[in-house]
Amino acid sequence: EPEVTQTPSHQVTQMGQEVILRCVPISNHLYFYWYRQILGQKVEFLVSFYNNEISEKSEIFDDQFSVERPDGSNFTLKIRSTKLEDSAMYFCASSLQGLNQPQHFGDGTRLSIL
Amino acid sequence: AQSVTQLDSHVSVSEGTPVLLRCNYSSSYSPSLFWYVQHPNKGLQLLLKYTSAATLVKGINGFEAEFKKSETSFHLTKPSAHMSDAAEYFCVVSDSSGTYKYIFGTGTRLKVLA
Repeated sequence: EPEVTQTPSHQVTQMGQEVILRCVPISNHLYFYWYRQILGQKVEFLVSFYNNEISEKSEIFDDQFSVERPDGSNFTLKIRSTKLEDSAMYFCASSLQGLNQPQHFGDGTRLSIL
Repeated sequence: AQSVTQLDSHVSVSEGTPVLLRCNYSSSYSPSLFWYVQHPNKGLQLLLKYTSAATLVKGINGFEAEFKKSETSFHLTKPSAHMSDAAEYFCVVSDSSGTYKYIFGTGTRLKVLA
């Protein structure tokens, strides 16, 4: 069965550094999402992406964050200048359509900011 | 605004006994509802989905859930727990008003006792 793959599984970065989290969604999917889960808290929506543009972003997704689908297969999340509070598990998800279609999640990237 | 409430943060059952994980939702639209399971250090796996068809939904691994509009509930059940069911379970409502982003409950950690 097709899967969403995320790399790396664990990223350790110094505060203030830029980090890029990578995702390969399922190949025929059209909707793409990033979520994050801070340790001990619930999963939170960050951003959705459709038709090569952001369709919605949460309050968390400020100017330090950006997303890109550079080559038709990868979907990346960039954090420009990381803060301690960015430490979390980041999940990428994709779905074939929007309405009523389940999202398929990757195994996540654990981001640790030192 | 849509929201999801998972009524129990932890549930313990003995192996072979029934499982009940409770979820209530709030939605201005006809909701799409999902249950996902997260095993340690793994991504979110879809258990089942409700998308306005049959109110009793069967999922993988013997789980099922019943959509009750009058009670705004979508409780997850399984007749007989297995040790491998020990995990975190998330009830999710999809925002059908626009970008279909997921809104997660806080999760229920299921412990299965031998």
